[in-house]
Amino acid sequence: GAVVSQHPSWVICKSGTSVKIECRSLDFQATTMFWYRQFPKQSLMLMATSNEGSKATYEQGVEKDKFLINHASLTLSTLTVTSAHPEDSSFYICSARIPSGSNSPLHFGNGTRLTVT
Amino acid sequence: KQEVTQIPAALSVPEGENLVLNCSFTDSAIYNLQWFRQDPGKGLTSLLLIQSSQREQTSGRLNASLDKSSGRSTLYIAASQPGDSATYLCAVPHGSGNTGKLIFGQGTTLQVKP
Repeated sequence: GAVVSQHPSWVICKSGTSVKIECRSLDFQATTMFWYRQFPKQSLMLMATSNEGSKATYEQGVEKDKFLINHASLTLSTLTVTSAHPEDSSFYICSARIPSGSNSPLHFGNGTRLTVT
Repeated sequence: KQEVTQIPAALSVPEGENLVLNCSFTDSAIYNLQWFRQDPGKGLTSLLLIQSSQREQTSGRLNASLDKSSGRSTLYIAASQPGDSATYLCAVPHGSGNTGKLIFGQGTTLQVKP
């Protein structure tokens, strides 16, 4: 069964609005989670590392003020796309490892399809 | 800078055929390599994880090999089935440690025809 849950699975919003995406670890604690973005016909690109209780670490070229990440608990990280524009339309996927920090495979959520009109 | 490449980009085979998907990486100092499956519009399912000290891993009809010195990994699928149709991605951790930050290949989209 799923070990990482994302919500919503898809969302359509108007340009200029903000959208929040949730990533939850199920039955385990994740001090670190990772957010990826996938454009059509392309592979996944890491956006940021979400750290519980501290600031997220963003990859080069990712605007931290546009993609707000909050990791307020050991089982939940949220990604908020602020003032969304059509070019933000993409597939956003989060991941975590069981148990956090160990040498085990990364598990991914089912992703969130964001369409900005 | 680590780069991951997958060949071919797409593959179509008849049901029952054995097939090999290829993954290459430019920096051989990897901690591990992971193979994933992605169905259209869905997230990723972890298939196999090979540690840097391992040569291969097997799970059912899947066998993944790793040759660090040549910067290559292969995913072998035996007796392919229509249900195997999906995009297969390989990924390695960024840097030499197990950071959890993965660098992905572009994927191979597999179609298995009944």
